[in-house]
Amino acid sequence: DIQMTQSPSTLSASVGDRVTITCRASQSISSWLAWYQQKPGKAPKLLIYKASSLESGVPSRFSGSGSGTEFTLTISSLQPDDFATYYCQQYNSYLITFGQGTRLEIK
Amino acid sequence: EVQLVQSGAEVKKPGESLKISCKGSGYSFTSYWIGWVRQMPGKGLEWMGIIYPGDSDTRYSPSFQGQVTISADKSISTAYLQWSSLKASDTAMYYCARRSSISGPFDYWGQGTLVTVSS
Repeated sequence: DIQMTQSPSTLSASVGDRVTITCRASQSISSWLAWYQQKPGKAPKLLIYKASSLESGVPSRFSGSGSGTEFTLTISSLQPDDFATYYCQQYNSYLITFGQGTRLEIK
Repeated sequence: EVQLVQSGAEVKKPGESLKISCKGSGYSFTSYWIGWVRQMPGKGLEWMGIIYPGDSDTRYSPSFQGQVTISADKSISTAYLQWSSLKASDTAMYYCARRSSISGPFDYWGQGTLVTVSS
């Protein structure tokens, strides 16, 4: 199984901050990586796919980068609606694994 | 508009069986994989398995193989997740999600079905 490790587990930030979340894969997954946002009591929402492609309707302040085993999700200027939990997901094959999640909190 | 609508919350006793559903609309149900994802209380997302409703090709996560059964009825655009004998540890929110291809991300999600197993 491919293991996905996110860091940090919790991130405290303020509105307007630039934040970066990192995701590492235990082996190369090329660019087969997605990022999701989940708010309490809601289903996850796809933000980024293929490491850096922005899903339709997602604000441009979200961006993704990386390939191989190291990936990042960056929010350029935090908005109040962005405080949530973020998950990376590898989909290198039909077998999928998620990272453990990063909770983004208001400082 | 693509929608996945899941069945309602369930409260069951250990040892009971259960089948929850996920109905797709607004797209060709037989052309996209449907996956199931578990989220235990306060925890992260775990992929359970996927099914291709067009031919019922089903793949399971090794962690869930033998623990659940995934099926689909393409005539009514509905996928299912079932248990034959529930355990307290099956208490969780379960999401269905559409996968854009067998090796693609989940682009649309259901609203979730909360399953509570308690004596």
